Amino acid sequence: EIVMTQSPATLSVSPGERATLSCRASQSLSSNLAWYQQKPGQAPNLLIYDASTRATGVPARFSGSGSGTEFTLTISSLQSEDFAVYYCQQYNNWPRTFGQGTKVEIK
Amino acid sequence: EVQLVQSGAEVKKPGESLKISCKGSGYSFSNYWIAWVRQMPGKGLEWMGIIYPGDSDTRYSPSFQGQVIISADKSISTAYLQWNSLKASDTAMYYCARSSKLDYWGQGTLVTVSS
Repeated sequence: EIVMTQSPATLSVSPGERATLSCRASQSLSSNLAWYQQKPGQAPNLLIYDASTRATGVPARFSGSGSGTEFTLTISSLQSEDFAVYYCQQYNNWPRTFGQGTKVEIK
Repeated sequence: EVQLVQSGAEVKKPGESLKISCKGSGYSFSNYWIAWVRQMPGKGLEWMGIIYPGDSDTRYSPSFQGQVIISADKSISTAYLQWNSLKASDTAMYYCARSSKLDYWGQGTLVTVSS
């Protein structure tokens, strides 16, 4: 089973600042990685798939990069609605696996 | 419009059985995998398993293999997650989601298991 490790666990950022979230895989994933945003009381929402492709309707301030075992989600200028928990998930191998999440909170 | 609509919240006792559902619409249900994801209270997302409704090919996470049963009825565009004997530790929100990329999600079904 591929282990996904996200860092940091919590990221404190001021509105308007840049946020960089990391996701590391225990084995190579090629580019088969997705990022999700989850706000309290809501289902997760797909942001990025294939490591760097924005899902429909996702603002351009969200970008994904990386391949192999190291991946990054960048939010270029945090808006109030971006404070949430972010998860990565690999879909290269069975079973699919999630990272433990990064909480982005207001500084 | 793609939609996944899940069945309502459930309150059960330990040892009871349960089957929750996820109905897809707005796309060809048979041609997309449906995954189930668990979220225990205050915790992260856990991938449980996935089914391809077209041929019922099913894969489980080792953590959930033997603990739950995933099935689908493509004639009514519905996937299911089933327990034969619930435990208190099954208390969680359960989500269904479409495809390996989890591009569309259901609203979640809260399962509470308590004596």
